[in-house]
Amino acid sequence: GENVEQHPSTLSVQEGDSAVIKCTYSDSASNYFPWYKQELGKRPQLIIDIRSNVGEKKDQRIAVTLNKTAKHFSLHITETQPEDSAVYFCAASNYGNNRLAFGKGNQVVVIP
Amino acid sequence: NAGVTQTPKFQVLKTGQSMTLQCAQDMNHNSMYWYRQDPGMGLRLIYYSASEGTTDKGEVPNGYNVSRLNKREFSLRLESAAPSQTSVYFCASSRDREVDTQYFGPGTRLTVL
Repeated sequence: GENVEQHPSTLSVQEGDSAVIKCTYSDSASNYFPWYKQELGKRPQLIIDIRSNVGEKKDQRIAVTLNKTAKHFSLHITETQPEDSAVYFCAASNYGNNRLAFGKGNQVVVIP
Repeated sequence: NAGVTQTPKFQVLKTGQSMTLQCAQDMNHNSMYWYRQDPGMGLRLIYYSASEGTTDKGEVPNGYNVSRLNKREFSLRLESAAPSQTSVYFCASSRDREVDTQYFGPGTRLTVL
């Protein structure tokens, strides 16, 4: 089955700087890649997703890029703010089988 | 809309006891899922139901059973709880089994002594 890996496990950034989290996946058939944000003690919530027919997608300060050849996708957060501090999970799945394979998560800490 | 709801929020069991975790969604979604979340392990799929009347095993189904009671409700049962089942359990739903956003419930924190 699909295997998703995230790096780095913990990322500390100064407020206002950018944060980048990279995920790699193993199944070349995967074509849906969501990112979830989980604040401490809360439920995971979708923040952005990308499908394989698109190379990049942006939503305000958040962007996701996809490299199908290298089988990796990345989350970019610009102008980080304290409320961006959370655990971020990437995931992958393919059409016809909405079984998301999640990475183990990245702790992002934004230092004021 | 309440979205996805779960009961209970917290539960402590003794080894060997049984319990059922309840999940309901009011978004008219077809697909529902049960995950467990352990520190450093991410979210792992236990069981899912692509549509009413169907259920399938996920990555870690051993020790669990599920029931898709109707389109709204999907329950997870632990027949004989073990300390290894101490975890946070999340229910989720999506519009369809095709790739779509999964919406998560607030979670149930289960401790097995």
